Amino acid sequence: QSALTQPASVSGSPGQSITISCTGTSSDVGSYNLVSWYQQHPGKAPKLMIYEVSKRPSGVSNRFSGSKSGNTASLTISGLQAEDEADYYCCSYAGSSTFEVFGGGTKLTVL
Amino acid sequence: EVQLVESGGGLVQPGGSLRLSCAASGFTVSSNYMSWVRQAPGKGLEWVSVIYSGGSTYYADSVKGRFTISRDNSKNTLYLQMNSLRAEDTAVYYCARDQVGATTNDYWGQGTLVTVSS
Repeated sequence: QSALTQPASVSGSPGQSITISCTGTSSDVGSYNLVSWYQQHPGKAPKLMIYEVSKRPSGVSNRFSGSKSGNTASLTISGLQAEDEADYYCCSYAGSSTFEVFGGGTKLTVL
Repeated sequence: EVQLVESGGGLVQPGGSLRLSCAASGFTVSSNYMSWVRQAPGKGLEWVSVIYSGGSTYYADSVKGRFTISRDNSKNTLYLQMNSLRAEDTAVYYCARDQVGATTNDYWGQGTLVTVSS
């Protein structure tokens, strides 16, 4: 059982927007602004898409955005494209004892 | 260009040991936060360990006391010494550079597969 809860799957049509939620607790997501999102295509290493809740690394499309409210973080992808089809993982800092926790991952299907 | 190349994976029996290496280029390992993250076959990502530029180390409870993260500054290489291996340690192990010390792995290696089986 993963520490952070994500939906197992989401889907959308090209051009649409989707949102993936990531629910934690007051010990991780709710306490720190160190929440990130990773995209992973099959057989590839993860790619950082969002860090510190809403920041985008250089080179990541502005179609990707992140936010947080309470114990839940969200990743929104607007203007869905075929290449967005992948697994997405959220990650949160959880203090110096547990340190870092991932969500179970969400499979995004572009219809 | 930043590059991370892992090596050292393979098949090992339960209770055995293995040392993974992660050779870095394009940046200095000792000046950065460096992490290990693993992924069991068909499963999600699991954080394993991190070493700070100052030398502090942190571990997931699942590997604490069995795994040791370290680095060789002269070789610009990160290591993960894995002892008392269990079947549940079977995974692809990725090394990554962490931009801020937690959750922000901006560069990843290609991964190396560790299989623990008799």
